[in-house]
Amino acid sequence: DAKTTQPPSMDCAEGRAANLPCNHSTISGNEYVYWYRQIHSQGPQYIIHGLKNNETNEMASLIITEDRKSSTLILPHATLRDTAVYYCIVRIHSNSGYALNFGKGTSLLVTP
Amino acid sequence: NAGVTQTPKFQVLKTGQSMTLQCAQDMNHNSMYWYRQDPGMGLRLIYYSASEGTTDKGEVPNGYNVSRLNKREFSLRLESAAPSQTSVYFCASSVQDYTEAFFGQGTRLTVV
Repeated sequence: DAKTTQPPSMDCAEGRAANLPCNHSTISGNEYVYWYRQIHSQGPQYIIHGLKNNETNEMASLIITEDRKSSTLILPHATLRDTAVYYCIVRIHSNSGYALNFGKGTSLLVTP
Repeated sequence: NAGVTQTPKFQVLKTGQSMTLQCAQDMNHNSMYWYRQDPGMGLRLIYYSASEGTTDKGEVPNGYNVSRLNKREFSLRLESAAPSQTSVYFCASSVQDYTEAFFGQGTRLTVV
């Protein structure tokens, strides 16, 4: 699985959009981009995933650059409850025997 | 629908003691996983089971054994606990190993 690079920490004001970047310059054509988050002491929670098109669900939007070397997770109106560690993961979409490869993620702090 | 249930939630062991961490899911998922998370670190895969009857080592399997008892249950055993195994243990499951993973709330294990 391709390696990802994320900033260790970010701040965002409540009500504003939080834009979390992820670099995956070695991603291959059959690898998807996944985002999970972990709110303090809880188990990780799936947010969204995509291959090359932008994706949106009730939690967030995922923007993947045309060359697929980077992506951005957007929380459109961040709340205090979005304070968490956000993990960007890339992996192939098949029963490869590979599980999720979590790095250290980005610690997002949403402030009042 | 409880999702992924882990027992116990907290445990203190003495060095050399053994114990089994239990995990059960009620979502009819094929794949199940055990991760550990050390303070300030991301999650690391210990063992996984892509389907009932199969288990495979992950990144950090030494000192652990697993049993996929049936489709619902996946247990993790520490035969002789060591202080280095002090960690938070998370169980997860997914329909297939590349689909959205659901995590339990974790077992906080301290080995003294």
